[in-house]
Amino acid sequence: NAGVTQTPKFQVLKTGQSMTLQCAQDMNHEYMSWYRQDPGMGLRLIHYSVGAGITDQGEVPNGYNVSRSTTEDFPLRLLSAAPSQTSVYFCASSTSSYNEQFFGPGTRLTVL
Amino acid sequence: GESVGLHLPTLSVQEGDNSIINCAYSNSASDYFIWYKQESGKGPQFIIDIRSNMDKRQGQRVTVLLNKTVKHLSLQIAATQPGDSAVYFCATSSGNQFYFGTGTSLTVIP
Repeated sequence: NAGVTQTPKFQVLKTGQSMTLQCAQDMNHEYMSWYRQDPGMGLRLIHYSVGAGITDQGEVPNGYNVSRSTTEDFPLRLLSAAPSQTSVYFCASSTSSYNEQFFGPGTRLTVL
Repeated sequence: GESVGLHLPTLSVQEGDNSIINCAYSNSASDYFIWYKQESGKGPQFIIDIRSNMDKRQGQRVTVLLNKTVKHLSLQIAATQPGDSAVYFCATSSGNQFYFGTGTSLTVIP
C-alpha cells in the first residue's frame, strides 16, 4: 500500500492564481481531511469528508473548496491564492473520525 | 470551537530518562484523544490514542493518561531514546472534527 499520497510536494503561486492540491489514499478509508500547518502552530482543519459525496467545513475553510467524488481522492482547491495561504498542507485519512489518522507527506505552498 | 494547548513548547531530557508531555483542552464534549509525533519535514505519525471511557492506555514505551475532570492529557515516554526527538502534538475530537495543540519539541540529550 502506498498509504496517503500528496502532490505536488512544493508549489509557488502568485496572488490570485488558483490551483488544486491532490490527495489520494489506497486504504479504502471513509474519513479524509485537509489541514494546514503554520510555523509555531498546530494543525488546523480546513475541510473534511466522511465518505464519497459528503464534505464539510472545518476550522479554517475560507478560500478553499473540496470535493469527494470517489473514496480514494480528496482534492483541495485554492480559488484565488493569497499570501495568507502560504503554509504546509497535510491530507489525512482514517476508517472513521474515531480512529488513527494516516497523514500524507505534505505540500509546501508559497504564495507571493 | 475547541482550544487545545500544550504546557511547554520545548522539553529536553537525558537519554534513558522518562519524558512527560502535557496537554490541556477546553471542550468537555471531546471524547477521543490522540498523540502524534512529527519529525522535521514529515507528516504527523500516530503514537497512541485514548477514548473518553478510559483514563489510561499503554503502548510500547508510551502511556497516555486522561483526566476528564480537569481536561488534561499527558504522554509519558519511558526510557527516552535519541530517535524520540521530534515535535509531539495532542489532538482532540468531538464529532467529526479534530483540534490540534501547538506542539512540544522534545530534544533527547545523548
